[in-house]
Amino acid sequence: KAGVTQTPRYLIKTRGQQVTLSCSPISGHRSVSWYQQTPGQGLQFLFEYFSETQRNKGNFPGRFSGRQFSNSRSEMNVSTLELGDSALYLCASSSGLMDNEQFFGPGTRLTVL
Amino acid sequence: KQEVTQIPAALSVPEGENLVLNCSFTDSAIYNLQWFRQDPGKGLTSLLLIQSSQREQTSGRLNASLDKSSGRSTLYIAASQPGDSATYLCAVTMIKAAGNKLTFGGGTRVLVKP
Repeated sequence: KAGVTQTPRYLIKTRGQQVTLSCSPISGHRSVSWYQQTPGQGLQFLFEYFSETQRNKGNFPGRFSGRQFSNSRSEMNVSTLELGDSALYLCASSSGLMDNEQFFGPGTRLTVL
Repeated sequence: KQEVTQIPAALSVPEGENLVLNCSFTDSAIYNLQWFRQDPGKGLTSLLLIQSSQREQTSGRLNASLDKSSGRSTLYIAASQPGDSATYLCAVTMIKAAGNKLTFGGGTRVLVKP
C-alpha cells in the first residue's frame, strides 16, 4: 500500500505570493489533516478535512485555506505569503475514525524570501 | 486547553543503553496517544498507538505505557542503537475536539553515541 505523498517537496516563494500544496492520502483513507512545523512553535494543527468537509480548524489566519476532493486528495493554499510562513508543512492521513492511527507524509518545505 | 509536555528536550546516551522518554498531558479525556519518530527535515513515522483503554503497546524493541489518570505516557526503547538517533514526539487525540486533531508535545531529541 502506498504511503502518504506530498507535492512539491520543496518550494521557494517571495513575500506576497501565494502557494498551493498537495497531499494524497493512503488509499481508502478519508481524513486528511494539515500541520505546520517550525523550530519556534513546533507542530501546530491547521485544519482537517473528512469526506470533502472541513471538520476542524486550528488557530491560523484566513490566508490559510484548504479543500478536499472526492478522491480524498487535499490541497492547502496560503495567500499573501509572509516570511513567518516559512516552515515544513505536513499532512496526515487516517480512516477518519477518532481512535485510528494517523500516518504522515514526507512534508513540503516552504521557504519565503 | 490540552497541553502536552515532553521532558527532557534532548537526551544523549551510549549505544546499548535503554532509552526512557516521557510525555505528560493535562487533560485525560483522550481517545488515544501516539508516538512518532522524526528524522531531521523529514516527515513523522508512527511508532505506536495506544488507545485510552489500553495500558501499554509493544513493537519489537519499543514499549509504550499509558497512565491516563495521571496524564503520563512513557516510551521505552531497549538496547539503543545509533540508528535510533532522532526526535521523538508524542501526540494525543482529544475526545472534546471534533475530528482527528493531534495535539503534540515539543519532542525529545535523542542522540545515541556509538
